[in-house]
Amino acid sequence: QSALTQPRSVSGSPGQSVTISCTGTSTDVGGYNFVSWYQHHPGKAPKLIIYDVNKRPSGVPTRFSGSKSGNTASLTISGLQAGDEAVYHCSSYAGSYSLVFGGGTKVTVL
Amino acid sequence: QVQLQESGPGLVKPSQTLSLTCTVSGGSINTGDYFWSWIRQPAGKGLEWIGRVYTAGSTNYNPFLRSRVTMSVDTSKNQFSLKLTSVTAADTAVYYCAGWSYYYMDVWGKGTTVTVSS
Repeated sequence: QSALTQPRSVSGSPGQSVTISCTGTSTDVGGYNFVSWYQHHPGKAPKLIIYDVNKRPSGVPTRFSGSKSGNTASLTISGLQAGDEAVYHCSSYAGSYSLVFGGGTKVTVL
Repeated sequence: QVQLQESGPGLVKPSQTLSLTCTVSGGSINTGDYFWSWIRQPAGKGLEWIGRVYTAGSTNYNPFLRSRVTMSVDTSKNQFSLKLTSVTAADTAVYYCAGWSYYYMDVWGKGTTVTVSS
């Protein structure tokens, strides 16, 4: 099981949009529509913000959106806010009742 | 909403067994909505899925850790646990417990740091 590849960091000014990529293979991201994204503020529990590629749990702002093309999934944060500064992790089902995660991306609001 | 809290020793000696417990509050561990899971994150690295256990006792483990991992559920205490044997410095990480629903982790604990050192 290889980890999914995410950029180490992305940044943007308040109000701008940022996009985080999550690249896997045909045995995980490309093989299933079961990509999820988690927002993680230091010292807190990670929070699910996107599941099944592009679905938002109740209470997650529409500013957060997900998509997938081939072996790469993406998370877009629109209208960036100071509170969005966090680490974002992607995950994908990888078959055989297993999950694989990405390395995490630090989002900085300038 | 279910809440999770990890507990256990913060320091484990090399070659010994790491044992952690996750306490479920705000709901029953028998809810049937979740497979109870463990994930870890070594410093400076990404998350790594360790495995999951269902209240009926069935388990699925990360193939890379399968030979050293055991997970179980104690429904009387609303807890589930992780045991990782023969630990080395590479097992030093923040360990999270989580509830796996369908194909994602729906609820997480805040994590507990475990250091493997003599």
